[in-house]
Amino acid sequence: AQSVAQPEDQVNVAEGNPLTVKCTYSVSGNPYLFWYVQYPNRGLQFLLKYITGDNLVKGSYGFEAEFNKSQTSFHLKKPSALVSDSALYFCAVRDASGNNRLAFGKGNQVVVIP
Amino acid sequence: GAGVSQSPSNKVTEKGKDVELRCDPISGHTALYWYRQSLGQGLEFLIYFQGNSAPDKSGLPSDRFSAERTGGSVSTLTIQRTQQEDSAVYLCASKQTGDLFYEQYFGPGTRLTVT
Repeated sequence: AQSVAQPEDQVNVAEGNPLTVKCTYSVSGNPYLFWYVQYPNRGLQFLLKYITGDNLVKGSYGFEAEFNKSQTSFHLKKPSALVSDSALYFCAVRDASGNNRLAFGKGNQVVVIP
Repeated sequence: GAGVSQSPSNKVTEKGKDVELRCDPISGHTALYWYRQSLGQGLEFLIYFQGNSAPDKSGLPSDRFSAERTGGSVSTLTIQRTQQEDSAVYLCASKQTGDLFYEQYFGPGTRLTVT
């Protein structure tokens, strides 16, 4: 079965420092991978996706993620964190049940400290 | 353009009552999903509609849960005889087609509290 692991419950980072949110996946077939962000009392917003092509994917708000097939990882990164980046981040991978849906991780709370 | 909208934004109900949650997807989006987000948990898939195909109901946790999508647009999630464990945020998402490489657009959610 397809699954996503986001091993850290919370990531604390000082404003201006690099931010990394980790994600590893397990999937058979093509690993379509997504990152979403959820701000308080809001729905999820799409950040970026990897479908095929370059392993480094650039997305919204200065975020990027690197697909690493050998390590089955898709870590989200931002070179310089902002206080406004404090939110809940979800990694998701295609669910190969054949029903065109995603399996989401449990989410990582990111806290950017001023 | 208009995004995905959900109503109500908050719903408090007594145990044993039925509730209906509404989702208005983005116009033209053929795929629609319902998820449940409980405190400290990830997103739990509930049901998926794609065009006129039979919905994928495999994520519904019990027969108290049902959903329909009328005219390929608006969807209603119904929970009968609500239980306290049904308390959660219910999220709806839509996307252009059923193809996996399209991203989903989420609504703001309905926060359901069962007392």
